[in-house]
Amino acid sequence: ETGVTQTPRHLVMGMTNKKSLKCEQHLGHNAMYWYKQSAKKPLELMFVYNFKEQTENNSVPSRFSPECPNSSHLFLHLHTLQPEDSALYLCASSQEPGQETQYFGPGTRLLVL
Amino acid sequence: QKEVEQNSGPLSVPEGAIASLNCTYSDRGSQSFFWYRQYSGKSPELIMSIYSNGDKEDGRFTAQLNKASQYVSLLIRDSQPSDSATYLCAVLVSGGSYIPTFGRGTSLIVHP
Repeated sequence: ETGVTQTPRHLVMGMTNKKSLKCEQHLGHNAMYWYKQSAKKPLELMFVYNFKEQTENNSVPSRFSPECPNSSHLFLHLHTLQPEDSALYLCASSQEPGQETQYFGPGTRLLVL
Repeated sequence: QKEVEQNSGPLSVPEGAIASLNCTYSDRGSQSFFWYRQYSGKSPELIMSIYSNGDKEDGRFTAQLNKASQYVSLLIRDSQPSDSATYLCAVLVSGGSYIPTFGRGTSLIVHP
Protein backbone atom coordinates (compact mmCIF):
# COMPACT_ATOMS: atom_id res chain seq x y z
CA GLU A 1 0.00 0.00 0.00
CA THR A 2 1.34 3.44 -0.89
CA GLY A 3 1.54 6.42 1.43
CA VAL A 4 -1.11 8.23 -0.60
CA THR A 5 -4.75 7.81 0.38
CA GLN A 6 -7.87 8.95 -1.42
CA THR A 7 -11.50 9.19 -0.39
CA PRO A 8 -14.05 8.26 -1.41
CA ARG A 9 -13.01 5.24 -3.43
CA HIS A 10 -16.24 5.25 -5.40
CA LEU A 11 -18.63 8.10 -6.11
CA VAL A 12 -21.86 8.34 -8.07
CA MET A 13 -23.24 11.82 -8.62
CA GLY A 14 -25.81 13.60 -10.68
CA MET A 15 -24.96 16.44 -12.99
CA THR A 16 -26.32 19.03 -10.58
CA ASN A 17 -24.50 17.73 -7.51
CA LYS A 18 -21.46 19.20 -5.80
CA LYS A 19 -18.93 16.81 -4.35
CA SER A 20 -15.28 16.81 -3.34
CA LEU A 21 -12.50 14.28 -3.69
CA LYS A 22 -9.84 14.17 -1.01
CA CYS A 23 -6.22 13.11 -1.20
CA GLU A 24 -3.71 12.87 1.62
CA GLN A 25 -0.06 11.91 1.40
CA HIS A 26 1.99 10.70 4.34
CA LEU A 27 5.36 10.74 2.56
CA GLY A 28 6.56 14.24 3.34
CA HIS A 29 6.45 15.17 -0.33
CA ASN A 30 6.21 18.70 -1.63
CA ALA A 31 4.39 18.14 -4.92
CA MET A 32 0.91 16.75 -5.48
CA TYR A 33 -0.97 15.99 -8.67
CA TRP A 34 -4.46 15.22 -9.92
CA TYR A 35 -4.82 12.88 -12.89
CA LYS A 36 -7.83 11.66 -14.85
CA GLN A 37 -7.80 8.16 -16.30
CA SER A 38 -10.53 7.28 -18.79
CA ALA A 39 -10.95 3.94 -20.49
CA LYS A 40 -8.53 3.39 -23.38
CA LYS A 41 -6.96 6.84 -22.99
CA PRO A 42 -3.61 7.86 -21.53
CA LEU A 43 -3.39 9.27 -18.06
CA GLU A 44 -4.24 12.96 -18.27
CA LEU A 45 -2.54 15.34 -15.88
CA MET A 46 -5.04 17.90 -14.56
CA PHE A 47 -3.29 19.95 -11.88
CA VAL A 48 0.10 20.19 -10.19
CA TYR A 49 0.77 21.76 -6.82
CA ASN A 50 4.25 22.52 -5.54
CA PHE A 51 4.56 23.67 -1.91
CA LYS A 52 0.80 24.39 -1.94
CA GLU A 53 1.05 26.61 -5.01
CA GLN A 54 -0.62 25.57 -8.23
CA THR A 55 2.03 25.36 -10.93
CA GLU A 56 0.11 23.66 -13.72
CA ASN A 57 -3.46 23.72 -14.90
CA ASN A 58 -3.61 21.54 -17.93
CA SER A 59 -6.60 23.24 -19.63
CA VAL A 60 -9.07 21.69 -17.23
CA PRO A 61 -12.72 22.90 -17.33
CA SER A 62 -13.76 25.16 -14.49
CA ARG A 63 -16.25 22.59 -13.20
CA PHE A 64 -13.15 21.00 -11.63
CA SER A 65 -11.71 23.16 -8.87
CA PRO A 66 -8.59 22.06 -6.97
CA GLU A 67 -7.62 23.14 -3.48
CA CYS A 68 -4.37 22.52 -1.66
CA PRO A 69 -4.53 23.81 1.94
CA ASN A 70 -1.14 22.34 2.85
CA SER A 71 1.51 20.15 1.27
CA SER A 72 -0.12 16.97 2.61
CA HIS A 73 -3.69 17.49 1.48
CA LEU A 74 -5.25 18.00 -1.91
CA PHE A 75 -8.90 18.33 -2.83
CA LEU A 76 -10.77 18.29 -6.10
CA HIS A 77 -14.12 20.05 -5.92
CA LEU A 78 -16.65 18.93 -8.49
CA HIS A 79 -19.77 20.75 -9.63
CA THR A 80 -22.14 20.46 -12.60
CA LEU A 81 -20.16 17.62 -14.11
CA GLN A 82 -21.00 15.89 -17.36
CA PRO A 83 -21.35 12.15 -18.01
CA GLU A 84 -18.09 12.25 -19.99
CA ASP A 85 -16.33 13.23 -16.77
CA SER A 86 -16.88 9.71 -15.49
CA ALA A 87 -13.42 8.26 -14.96
CA LEU A 88 -10.86 7.18 -12.41
CA TYR A 89 -9.35 10.21 -10.67
CA LEU A 90 -5.90 9.58 -9.35
CA CYS A 91 -3.91 11.63 -6.90
CA ALA A 92 -0.13 11.37 -6.85
CA SER A 93 2.74 12.93 -4.97
CA SER A 94 6.47 13.31 -5.40
CA GLN A 95 9.30 14.79 -3.41
CA GLU A 96 9.72 17.58 -5.92
CA PRO A 97 7.86 18.29 -9.14
CA GLY A 98 9.65 17.22 -12.26
CA GLN A 99 12.06 14.34 -12.30
CA GLU A 100 11.13 12.56 -9.15
CA THR A 101 9.15 9.36 -8.98
CA GLN A 102 5.45 9.82 -8.45
CA TYR A 103 3.51 7.73 -5.98
CA PHE A 104 -0.13 7.21 -6.79
CA GLY A 105 -3.12 6.87 -4.52
CA PRO A 106 -5.75 4.16 -5.11
CA GLY A 107 -8.00 6.53 -7.02
CA THR A 108 -11.64 7.53 -6.90
CA ARG A 109 -13.91 5.84 -9.42
CA LEU A 110 -16.41 8.52 -10.43
CA LEU A 111 -19.66 7.94 -12.26
CA VAL A 112 -21.70 10.94 -13.39
CA LEU A 113 -25.30 10.21 -14.23
CA GLN B 1 3.21 18.18 -29.06
CA LYS B 2 4.77 15.62 -26.81
CA GLU B 3 3.65 12.08 -27.56
CA VAL B 4 4.37 8.74 -26.02
CA GLU B 5 3.32 5.76 -28.06
CA GLN B 6 2.72 2.23 -26.88
CA ASN B 7 1.08 -0.72 -28.55
CA SER B 8 -2.13 -1.26 -26.58
CA GLY B 9 -1.92 -5.04 -27.02
CA PRO B 10 -2.85 -7.31 -25.49
CA LEU B 11 0.56 -8.92 -25.54
CA SER B 12 0.15 -12.58 -24.68
CA VAL B 13 3.13 -14.65 -23.59
CA PRO B 14 3.42 -18.09 -21.98
CA GLU B 15 4.59 -18.45 -18.42
CA GLY B 16 8.37 -18.46 -18.22
CA ALA B 17 8.89 -16.54 -21.45
CA ILE B 18 10.38 -13.07 -21.89
CA ALA B 19 7.84 -10.30 -22.32
CA SER B 20 9.05 -7.29 -24.30
CA LEU B 21 7.19 -4.01 -23.97
CA ASN B 22 8.09 -1.05 -26.15
CA CYS B 23 7.55 2.68 -25.97
CA THR B 24 8.54 5.48 -28.33
CA TYR B 25 8.49 9.19 -27.60
CA SER B 26 8.55 12.28 -29.74
CA ASP B 27 10.34 14.90 -27.64
CA ARG B 28 14.12 14.69 -28.03
CA GLY B 29 14.50 16.75 -24.86
CA SER B 30 13.09 13.92 -22.76
CA GLN B 31 15.41 13.02 -19.91
CA SER B 32 13.56 10.82 -17.48
CA PHE B 33 11.72 7.63 -18.29
CA PHE B 34 9.49 5.51 -16.12
CA TRP B 35 7.63 2.24 -16.35
CA TYR B 36 4.54 1.82 -14.21
CA ARG B 37 2.50 -1.32 -13.70
CA GLN B 38 -1.24 -1.03 -13.23
CA TYR B 39 -3.35 -3.99 -12.23
CA SER B 40 -7.00 -3.90 -13.23
CA GLY B 41 -8.92 -1.64 -10.88
CA LYS B 42 -5.75 -0.48 -9.13
CA SER B 43 -3.53 2.58 -9.35
CA PRO B 44 -0.20 2.68 -11.20
CA GLU B 45 2.91 1.68 -9.29
CA LEU B 46 6.44 2.48 -10.37
CA ILE B 47 8.56 -0.52 -11.28
CA MET B 48 11.52 1.00 -13.13
CA SER B 49 13.07 4.36 -13.89
CA ILE B 50 15.91 5.01 -16.30
CA TYR B 51 17.76 8.19 -17.14
CA SER B 52 20.75 7.25 -19.32
CA ASN B 53 21.28 5.18 -22.43
CA GLY B 54 21.74 1.47 -21.99
CA ASP B 55 20.23 -1.20 -19.80
CA LYS B 56 19.12 -1.10 -16.20
CA GLU B 57 18.29 -4.34 -14.45
CA ASP B 58 16.22 -4.91 -11.34
CA GLY B 59 15.40 -8.52 -10.62
CA ARG B 60 13.40 -9.95 -13.50
CA PHE B 61 12.92 -6.50 -15.03
CA THR B 62 15.28 -4.77 -17.45
CA ALA B 63 14.67 -1.30 -18.82
CA GLN B 64 16.45 -0.34 -22.02
CA LEU B 65 16.86 3.22 -23.24
CA ASN B 66 18.02 4.41 -26.64
CA LYS B 67 17.79 8.20 -26.86
CA ALA B 68 19.08 8.35 -30.42
CA SER B 69 16.20 6.17 -31.58
CA GLN B 70 13.82 7.64 -29.03
CA TYR B 71 12.60 4.43 -27.56
CA VAL B 72 12.50 2.82 -24.18
CA SER B 73 11.61 -0.79 -23.53
CA LEU B 74 10.88 -3.06 -20.62
CA LEU B 75 11.83 -6.71 -20.60
CA ILE B 76 10.30 -9.10 -18.11
CA ARG B 77 12.18 -12.37 -17.79
CA ASP B 78 10.59 -15.59 -16.57
CA SER B 79 7.13 -14.04 -16.91
CA GLN B 80 4.59 -15.08 -14.32
CA PRO B 81 0.78 -14.93 -14.42
CA SER B 82 1.05 -12.32 -11.65
CA ASP B 83 2.81 -10.04 -14.16
CA SER B 84 -0.46 -9.77 -16.10
CA ALA B 85 -1.29 -6.08 -15.98
CA THR B 86 -1.18 -2.91 -18.03
CA TYR B 87 2.28 -1.35 -18.29
CA LEU B 88 2.45 2.41 -18.64
CA CYS B 89 5.41 4.25 -20.09
CA ALA B 90 5.95 7.80 -18.83
CA VAL B 91 8.38 10.40 -20.11
CA LEU B 92 9.50 13.64 -18.53
CA VAL B 93 11.32 16.55 -20.10
CA SER B 94 13.77 18.28 -17.79
CA GLY B 95 14.20 22.00 -17.57
CA GLY B 96 11.07 23.41 -16.04
CA SER B 97 8.19 21.26 -17.23
CA TYR B 98 6.49 19.38 -14.45
CA ILE B 99 4.20 17.52 -16.77
CA PRO B 100 4.98 13.86 -17.34
CA THR B 101 3.50 12.40 -20.48
CA PHE B 102 2.05 8.93 -20.27
CA GLY B 103 1.43 6.41 -23.00
CA ARG B 104 -1.88 4.55 -23.28
CA GLY B 105 -0.31 1.46 -21.79
CA THR B 106 0.26 -2.07 -23.03
CA SER B 107 -1.86 -4.87 -21.67
CA LEU B 108 0.22 -7.94 -20.86
CA ILE B 109 -1.30 -11.37 -20.37
CA VAL B 110 0.89 -14.19 -19.09
CA HIS B 111 -0.89 -17.50 -19.51
CA PRO B 112 0.04 -20.66 -17.60
